[in-house]
Amino acid sequence: DIQLTQSPSFLSASVGDRVTITCRASQGISSYLAWYQQKPGKAPKLLIYAASTLQSGVPSRFSGSGSGTEFTLTISSLQPEDFATYYCQQLNSYPRFGGGTKVEIK
Amino acid sequence: EVQLVQSGAEVKKPGESLRISCKGSGYSFTSYWISWVRQMPGKGLEWMGRIDPSDSYTNYSPSFQGHVTISADKSISTAYLQWSSLKASDTAMYYCARRGAALDYWGQGTLVTVSS
Repeated sequence: DIQLTQSPSFLSASVGDRVTITCRASQGISSYLAWYQQKPGKAPKLLIYAASTLQSGVPSRFSGSGSGTEFTLTISSLQPEDFATYYCQQLNSYPRFGGGTKVEIK
Repeated sequence: EVQLVQSGAEVKKPGESLRISCKGSGYSFTSYWISWVRQMPGKGLEWMGRIDPSDSYTNYSPSFQGHVTISADKSISTAYLQWSSLKASDTAMYYCARRGAALDYWGQGTLVTVSS
């Protein structure tokens, strides 16, 4: 059973900051990883799939990288609407989620 | 427009049964798996299981196997999540989601509250 560890679990940042979130898999998952954004009271929204492919309609300030066991989600310049919780998900046999990273305003 | 519309909030007592639904529209329902995801109050996302609506083949997370049943009726483009005997610990928001390259479309969520 593949485990995903996200770090940090919480981060405080300012508008305009560059933010990086890491997701580590307990075993190699090639590029079978997605990233989601969830705002309070809302359903999650797909941002990135196949580790680095931007979902249609998602702003280009979001980017993903990595393969195997280590992956990152980067927001190049944090905007007010980006304050949310972010989850990674591995897309293999049991598509488990990471524990989440809450991005709050500094 | 692709949409997944879930049934409304439910309040149940422990031991009761429940089935919640997720109706797809705007796409070929049998061409995409539907997953169910649990979110307990203040907690993260948990993948529960999925169904292939074309043949009703299911796949469950070991954490949920035997506790819930996922089914689908392709004639009405609807997937279901059901419990035979609810527990207080089943209190959560439940989401359905379509599996494209990832979970690309989500329902609005169904809040299930189990309380005596």
